[in-house]
Amino acid sequence: KAGVTQTPRYLIKTRGQQVTLSCSPISGHRSVSWYQQTPGQGLQFLFEYFSETQRNKGNFPGRFSGRQFSNSRSEMNVSTLELGDSALYLCASRSPQGVSDEQYFGPGTRLTVT
Amino acid sequence: TQLLEQSPQFLSIQEGENLTVYCNSSSVFSSLQWYRQEPGEGPVLLVTVVTGGEVKKLKRLTFQFGDARKDSSLHITAAQPGDTGLYLCAGANAGNNRKLIWGLGTSLAVNP
Repeated sequence: KAGVTQTPRYLIKTRGQQVTLSCSPISGHRSVSWYQQTPGQGLQFLFEYFSETQRNKGNFPGRFSGRQFSNSRSEMNVSTLELGDSALYLCASRSPQGVSDEQYFGPGTRLTVT
Repeated sequence: TQLLEQSPQFLSIQEGENLTVYCNSSSVFSSLQWYRQEPGEGPVLLVTVVTGGEVKKLKRLTFQFGDARKDSSLHITAAQPGDTGLYLCAGANAGNNRKLIWGLGTSLAVNP
């Protein structure tokens, strides 16, 4: 079974631009969560999508948005990029069975804003 | 606001030593998970503990969930360089729409 995949793995953008990141969950997983990870702040929860609906949301500004498609693939978008948005962006999918709190992470997208 | 505090924040030890890292909260969790993350990669789930007082072993790693389900510890016996990484704990509360609460992590370096 393929794991969680994220594209692209690395991205360099300029302040003011926008960016779209993509995540494909493990086959059969319907929940996708997005996190921002920086050395000082740790893992910060952005949002979670389940069956194309946003189920949970963190405390990020409206510049951060996401969506989920009918095949459970998810995208997140960051508009008007700021230097502070430089981070590792991780997505994770949840198992629909058993202990549903367990998360399976992708390798992340390293975003650098210059 | 629910918080998970991990200690120590950084740990550098020699191969063969034992160590314990802690994950503490004032909140009760329905389950708690431990993950290990290597540089440039996403966290990988190590274990989930659910029952107060539960002890789980994964080779040289021993995980314990506190009796009150507010804290957890991870003990590594005879650490190896391959154990190097960031250890993260995350707590789940069924009453919080299953949103996970994350600690900041313990960065472990095991020197050969």
